[in-house]
Amino acid sequence: AQSVTQLGSHVSVSEGALVLLRCNYSSSVPPYLFWYVQYPNQGLQLLLKYTTGATLVKGINGFEAEFKKSETSFHLTKPSAHMSDAAEYFCAVSFSGGSNYKLTFGKGTLLTVNP
Amino acid sequence: NAGVTQTPKFQVLKTGQSMTLQCAQDMNHEYMSWYRQDPGMGLRLIHYSVGAGITDQGEVPNGYNVSRSTTEDFPLRLLSAAPSQTSVYFCASRPRGAYNQPQHFGDGTRLSIL
Repeated sequence: AQSVTQLGSHVSVSEGALVLLRCNYSSSVPPYLFWYVQYPNQGLQLLLKYTTGATLVKGINGFEAEFKKSETSFHLTKPSAHMSDAAEYFCAVSFSGGSNYKLTFGKGTLLTVNP
Repeated sequence: NAGVTQTPKFQVLKTGQSMTLQCAQDMNHEYMSWYRQDPGMGLRLIHYSVGAGITDQGEVPNGYNVSRSTTEDFPLRLLSAAPSQTSVYFCASRPRGAYNQPQHFGDGTRLSIL
């Protein structure tokens, strides 16, 4: 069964500091990995995705993530945090084949950016 | 291009009442799903559908019914609302079989059961 673990339910950084949000997955077959962002009182917006090919993927708003198969990780980073990055971030995994259409989500990480 | 539209955006119910949360998409996506979001729990799958006339249970289906009579619409019914169903509900869609494609989410319905 597939699962996603986000380490740290709450991450706080200063404006201009590095953002690192951690995500580890469990999947018996090659995964498709996604990061979504949710701003207060809004729906989920796709930040970036990994399907196949290049393991370093770039997304919107300066975020990027690297797929590391050996570590079963897909951590999200941004070199310099902005106040507007304050939101909740969700890592999610799916995989192809069979009858499993599910997108499995982690429990989310709330990012706070301090001035 | 409206994408995924959910109505209502907010609703307050009394325990025991029934209601239907509406979800419609205009992207001709076969796959549609309903999630509930609770603090510290992430998003949990309630029910999903891979096409008109086909539905199946997700992780937390109890207390909810769904049907899929058209490709566009996927309503979620609460038969007898309970306080434990207070949550934010999201509908999502994507093309069937497109496992490597992201799901498109609606803006959510915030439901309170008193």
